[in-house]
Amino acid sequence: EPEVTQTPSHQVTQMGQEVILRCVPISNHLYFYWYRQILGQKVEFLVSFYNNEISEKSEIFDDQFSVERPDGSNFTLKIRSTKLEDSAMYFCASREGSKQYFGPGTRLTVL
Amino acid sequence: QKEVEQDPGPLSVPEGAIVSLNCTYSNSAFQYFMWYRQYSRKGPELLMYTYSSGNKEDGRFTAQVDKSSKYISLFIRDSQPSDSATYLCAMEAPGNQGGKLIFGQGTELSVKP
Repeated sequence: EPEVTQTPSHQVTQMGQEVILRCVPISNHLYFYWYRQILGQKVEFLVSFYNNEISEKSEIFDDQFSVERPDGSNFTLKIRSTKLEDSAMYFCASREGSKQYFGPGTRLTVL
Repeated sequence: QKEVEQDPGPLSVPEGAIVSLNCTYSNSAFQYFMWYRQYSRKGPELLMYTYSSGNKEDGRFTAQVDKSSKYISLFIRDSQPSDSATYLCAMEAPGNQGGKLIFGQGTELSVKP
C-alpha cells in the first residue's frame, strides 16, 4: 500500500542553524501539507501546497519557513534559523479527495 | 471557544469493552470529519472518514456525526489491547482551497487485557 515517507526520522540541530525536512508524498496525489505537533499538544497545520505554490499557510509559518517541491517526488520544509520552540514532530501529508494521509514524522530537536 | 474540543483522557477500559470517543466543534461550516489513530511518536493514521451527518461503520469502528449538535463520535466495539493509542478527531471546512485540517487535542485510550 502506498505511503508517505519522511526523512530523517530524528534531526538534532543547534539554535540558529538551518534544517531541511524531507517528504515523499504518495505518487499521483496533488496536494501536500506540513503539520507539526509539539510534545503533548495538538497537531497544528503549517502549510498547504498545490500546483507548485502555497495555497494556505498558518500564522506559525512565518518568514523562517519555506516549502519546495524540487522534483517530481520530494516535498521539503526548510527552517532557516531554528529556535528552541521549533522543537516538535513535523508531519508531512498528501491528499486524495478529502482524505489526508500522514507520514511517520520527523522529530526535530533544537538545542 | 476552541474550534474543536476533545477530552484528552486518559481513558482506560478492559479488553472487550465498548469505547466511546467524542469531539465537539464550533464551526458549522465543517463538512468533512475524520478520526485518526496515533501510536506513540508515530504519524496519525486515518481510521474513519465521514462527509456531513450520519453514521459510518467499518469493522469494529463506527463513526457518527450530528451536525445539529456539532458533535462527532467514534465507537470501538470489542476493544483490544492493540487499540491502545491516541485518537484524534479532525475536521475540514468545504470550499477550503488548502484543505487545512483542524485537530482535536486527542484522547489517549488504554485497553487492559
